[in-house]
Amino acid sequence: QKEVEQNSGPLSVPEGAIASLNCTYSDRGSQSFFWYRQYSGKSPELIMSIYSNGDKEDGRFTAQLNKASQYVSLLIRDSQPSDSATYLCAVMENYGQNFVFGPGTRLSVLP
Amino acid sequence: NAGVTQTPKFQVLKTGQSMTLQCAQDMNHNSMYWYRQDPGMGLRLIYYSASEGTTDKGEVPNGYNVSRLNKREFSLRLESAAPSQTSVYFCASSEGGAGETQYFGPGTRLLVL
Repeated sequence: QKEVEQNSGPLSVPEGAIASLNCTYSDRGSQSFFWYRQYSGKSPELIMSIYSNGDKEDGRFTAQLNKASQYVSLLIRDSQPSDSATYLCAVMENYGQNFVFGPGTRLSVLP
Repeated sequence: NAGVTQTPKFQVLKTGQSMTLQCAQDMNHNSMYWYRQDPGMGLRLIYYSASEGTTDKGEVPNGYNVSRLNKREFSLRLESAAPSQTSVYFCASSEGGAGETQYFGPGTRLLVL
């Protein structure tokens, strides 16, 4: 059973701080990694995708991937109360169409 | 573009009843997915369709059947609903192929009494 693990939280950070969200996965052959944001009662929406080792930046968001350690993270700089949501890590199986989601980390940004 | 649409938005069933959840996408995507989301469990894949005419089981297929009616539509059927199937169901679509972004519908909240 392939697994994706995340700390469930809640993770609380003050407004303006950096929020760090972590994810580990068990399938060493996985090639594609995604971070989704889900507001309460809403559907998930894509924030970032990353496929290669290293960092990928998009505005206030940075995704980091380390395939050797089977670890992917999401950093949110200058956190805003509007960033308060559940963040889902998703991993795509190697050569497949099967996505595996982690349980999500609930982030609370305090004004 | 409406993106991914799902009907109904909310449904209450009695144990043993059947129902079909409908999903349609207008993005000309090849792949479509059905997930369920339960508290603390994240999204779990029920079935997916990599392309029109094909369907494959995901992590939790028991108690469900699917039909890829055409490229736009992918339905999920519960033949005999059980309380354990109380959940929020999301349909998603993607262009297909490795690494493609999934776009999610608004979800269907199902309560089985």
